Amino acid sequence: GQNIDQPTEMTATEGAIVQINCTYQTSGFNGLFWYQQHAGEAPTFLSYNVLDGLEEKGRFSSFLSRSKGYSYLLLKELQMKDSASYLCAAMDSNYQLIWGAGTKLIIKP
Amino acid sequence: IAGITQAPTSQILAAGRRMTLRCTQDMRHNAMYWYRQDLGLGLRLIHYSNTAGTTGKGEVPDGYSVSRANTDDFPLTLASAVPSQTSVYFCASSLSSGTGGADTQYFGPGTRLTVL
Repeated sequence: GQNIDQPTEMTATEGAIVQINCTYQTSGFNGLFWYQQHAGEAPTFLSYNVLDGLEEKGRFSSFLSRSKGYSYLLLKELQMKDSASYLCAAMDSNYQLIWGAGTKLIIKP
Repeated sequence: IAGITQAPTSQILAAGRRMTLRCTQDMRHNAMYWYRQDLGLGLRLIHYSNTAGTTGKGEVPDGYSVSRANTDDFPLTLASAVPSQTSVYFCASSLSSGTGGADTQYFGPGTRLTVL
């Protein structure tokens, strides 16, 4: 079966760094997406990885290891506005997204 | 319009009633999707359309139908609503369905539906 696993909730301190992990099992693989979703709002695109390695985009970076079925999202210099859920999604061989349940990130001052 | 719009924003519906959720995009995207989001679960695909005139079933299609008469609109219909269809519904679109490369999906603001 197809499955995405990520932690349900994480807590971090303003100004710190946090890493949100995601493991996936899909039928075929066409890339790994990360989305941010604030409470009561729509998911918004953060990053896409299809090759192994780290992609950096400002304070946010995303890493992919296809051999391990593993990705992480790294958030640096955390701000209160980063409090949100972070959704991991893998694209399968049919180009459909398989979604994790999301990691709720709580930022404390 | 800029991006994707959905209507209504929220709705309370009696069980057994028919309901159509509307979705319109102005980005000329070929592919469109309907998801439902329930607490503790990931987004689940209900139906999708790779291009105008075609539709396909996702992971949880039962009780729902869609049509894609043109590029911009992708309505979702609940023929006879049941309480288990209480959820937040998101419409999304992407430039293509992915063949030849994965395209980012962009989401509308969602419709919060309660079926009593």
